[in-house]
Amino acid sequence: SQTIHQWPATLVQPVGSPLSLECTVEGTSNPNLYWYRQAAGRGLQLLFYSVGIGQISSEVPQNLSASRPQDRQFILSSKKLLLSDSGFYLCARHVGSYNEQFFGPGTRLTVL
Amino acid sequence: RKEVEQDPGPFNVPEGATVAFNCTYSNSASQSFFWYRQDCRKEPKLLMSVYSSGNEDGRFTAQLNRASQYISLLIRDSKLSDSATYLCVVDPGAGSYQLTFGKGTKLSVIP
Repeated sequence: SQTIHQWPATLVQPVGSPLSLECTVEGTSNPNLYWYRQAAGRGLQLLFYSVGIGQISSEVPQNLSASRPQDRQFILSSKKLLLSDSGFYLCARHVGSYNEQFFGPGTRLTVL
Repeated sequence: RKEVEQDPGPFNVPEGATVAFNCTYSNSASQSFFWYRQDCRKEPKLLMSVYSSGNEDGRFTAQLNRASQYISLLIRDSKLSDSATYLCVVDPGAGSYQLTFGKGTKLSVIP
């Protein structure tokens, strides 16, 4: 079966600290991968997507970055966190020709 | 006009009731549509996909009206376990990798 893992599940970080969130996918090769953020009371916001190793497209200019060092690994990073970076970060993969997307369990980030 | 609009609710309905959610979208070229269910503090999970005029899966029926640019989700015989937030999602098509998410409609089914 195809599974998405996200690590860590929860994270509390001070303002100005770095960030690294990891997403790994099992059971599929060359998936399209996505990073979303869901802030409190808001809809899902697409941050980055990747169609292959080393290929990253950014949808929202901000202090976050993404990398795809391996086919099944997608990493979200920041050098200095802002209070506004708090939220629920979700990794997703694209399945099928109709662009259904399936989500990992998410990382809940609180920046203090 | 927002890209995908949903009534945020909450909809509070008794067990066994029928409830319907509507969703409107602005991009007339959109091709695929989805309903996701999101439980509190969990990831969204795909509930139904809608490619043509509609889709039915047990107690759940989704309908698409392209002329009016809206999608609906009907839940019959509501269960306590149906309590969640329901997200309307639109694929703009044209080779886009993006999905556009509504903010969701919250449903609470009351005993």
